[in-house]
Amino acid sequence: SQQGEEDPQALSIQEGENATMNCSYKTSINNLQWYRQNSGRGLVHLILIRSNEREKHSGRLRVTLDTSKKSSSLLITASRAADTASYFCGRGSTLGRLYFGRGTQLTVWP
Amino acid sequence: DTAVSQTPKYLVTQMGNDKSIKCEQNLGHDTMYWYKQDSKKFLKIMFSYNNKELIINETVPNRFSPKSPDKAHLNLHINSLELGDSAVYFCASSQANNWGAADYGYTFGSGTRLTVV
Repeated sequence: SQQGEEDPQALSIQEGENATMNCSYKTSINNLQWYRQNSGRGLVHLILIRSNEREKHSGRLRVTLDTSKKSSSLLITASRAADTASYFCGRGSTLGRLYFGRGTQLTVWP
Repeated sequence: DTAVSQTPKYLVTQMGNDKSIKCEQNLGHDTMYWYKQDSKKFLKIMFSYNNKELIINETVPNRFSPKSPDKAHLNLHINSLELGDSAVYFCASSQANNWGAADYGYTFGSGTRLTVV
């Protein structure tokens, strides 16, 4: 994708383990947003990190942003079966556009 | 109280037909969007509307036309449907900042699965 990619495409772990997903982008961003999509549903906003921030936490979620490497990561600690979903990063441009890729499919086994 | 609702949830139609998908948001947001998600889950922005004006028009075929009767509604009309139009279409809304940047999270609808046969 010309906007960047999420990596890996698929991730399978056991309950209790941590899950790390990565997101890269190619052009300057205003912010980066992470979303979750359960099967057959719309995207749900999880967390937003601005371009001048390096790390943000929300419950079991931790997001980092490295603007020098044009990359971000989402860490879910102590994963649960209910965390099974696709996770997307939205690259927020300064023109009000939010670009997504294909997401990371996370499967958490009980 | 559904924040962003779109109808119908499923739409099966023949090639060449014209169809519309409706979207309504009750969040008071200034900007609404249409996204297309293909079979590989790639999510692509199609349009956005801010205060009833089109501010983004990505490179989509002109068979697709967004129509916004008011700030709370953004409908998607598709003419002469083709097999390649089969996808899930998502409506979303956001409260943009003063500079129009996507500085806040988007709220998405639950999607409309369009199948063209």
